Parts: sequence; structure tokens; C-alpha cells
Amino acid sequence: EAQVTQNPRYLITVTGKKLTVTCSQNMNHEYMSWYRQDPGLGLRQIYYSMNVEVTDKGDVPEGYKVSRKEKRNFPLILESPSPNQTSLYFCASSRSGEQFFGPGTRLTVL
Amino acid sequence: LAKTTQPISMDSYEGQEVNITCSHNNIATNDYITWYQQFPSQGPRFIIQGYKTKVTNEVASLFIPADRKSSTLSLPRVSLSDTAVYYCLVGFIGTYKYIFGTGTRLKVLA
Repeated sequence: EAQVTQNPRYLITVTGKKLTVTCSQNMNHEYMSWYRQDPGLGLRQIYYSMNVEVTDKGDVPEGYKVSRKEKRNFPLILESPSPNQTSLYFCASSRSGEQFFGPGTRLTVL
Repeated sequence: LAKTTQPISMDSYEGQEVNITCSHNNIATNDYITWYQQFPSQGPRFIIQGYKTKVTNEVASLFIPADRKSSTLSLPRVSLSDTAVYYCLVGFIGTYKYIFGTGTRLKVLA
């Protein structure tokens, strides 16, 4: 089944403790992206990747890092999480303008 | 990227046709119009995409006038399960940056 998977689905952590949210797709898509969703603000793009080893900033990249060492994986790294990064995070992949989204990761930073 | 404007919310009754209009005055020649649907705590799901005139698939129709400065998503005979947030996006097929905005919250009543 074609899908985008994210792990973990839920995470509660404390300020400053590095964490990684994994994202994997099995559709051989070149494009992948990360979004965060907050009440009243809609979906905002954090980072995107056009292909392996090619990444660029979206609208809200501060406090996040990404890497794209393999086509199927696009992890989101929070080196020093802060409470304002508490949010619902979505990973997506795409090939022809149609994005496929993962199930989301709900992150709480205390 | 063209900015889009949608109504914040709409109510409808089961069985009715729902039309959600999106304004995109600054649409560029190469831009396509794409609509997504999102249920609570789920990732957005692609509904339909078009460039001009009318596009129809099994779930919706997309109407785009000749000047392309707006578009209308039409959902025939909505049911309670169509209650969701609907997003209009404008961008060229090869774009990597996406602006979702806050979408239109559709509530279908029994």
C-alpha cells in the first residue's frame, strides 16, 4: 500500500532534549516536505526536499533541521526543542503536484 | 506564490451541493489550482487539481473561469462525512513551496 509513515505518532518531551521525528514513504517520490499545524494558523511549511541531499527552508524553519540521505526518508530534527514547538507535525511526499500526507505526529514540549 | 482567499467557514445540509470559492488574483501563467480536504487530526488529502475551465472526478468538480482569478470547488450531495476543512492552493506543478492558509471549515448538518 502506498503510504507515508511517521514515528512517533505522539511525543511528550522536555525543553532542550534533542528529538527526531522520522518520515518514510514507499512511493519513490523525489519531493518530501514537513509542515506544522497550529490552531488558527493552518498548515505552515517547515522544510522541503527536492531530492536526495537537496533541502531548502519553508516558511517556518527556525529551530528545525532536516536531512535527506535516502530517497524514502526525511527525518525532522529538533536539536533543542522549546515549548513554542508544541504542535501537530505532518510529513508529505509528492511527484506531480499531488501531495500525500502522513498521519501526523503530535508533539508536546514541556 | 499566489495568495489565496477563502471563506473561513460554511454550513450546509446533507444532500445539498456545496460550492466553495477561492480567490487568487495574482495567479501566474504556469500555476495550477489544487484543493485538499482535511479531517481533524489527519493529514490533508488531495481532492482535485485543474488549470482552466472544468475538471471533474469521482468526488468533486473544479470550475475555473477564463481569467483564472478565482476557482470554485463543487461537492455534489454532501453527507455528514464531508465535514472537514478544505484548502485551496495555487502553484506550478514543479513548485516546492506550498502555502495552505487556514482553509474553509465546512460543516454538514443532518
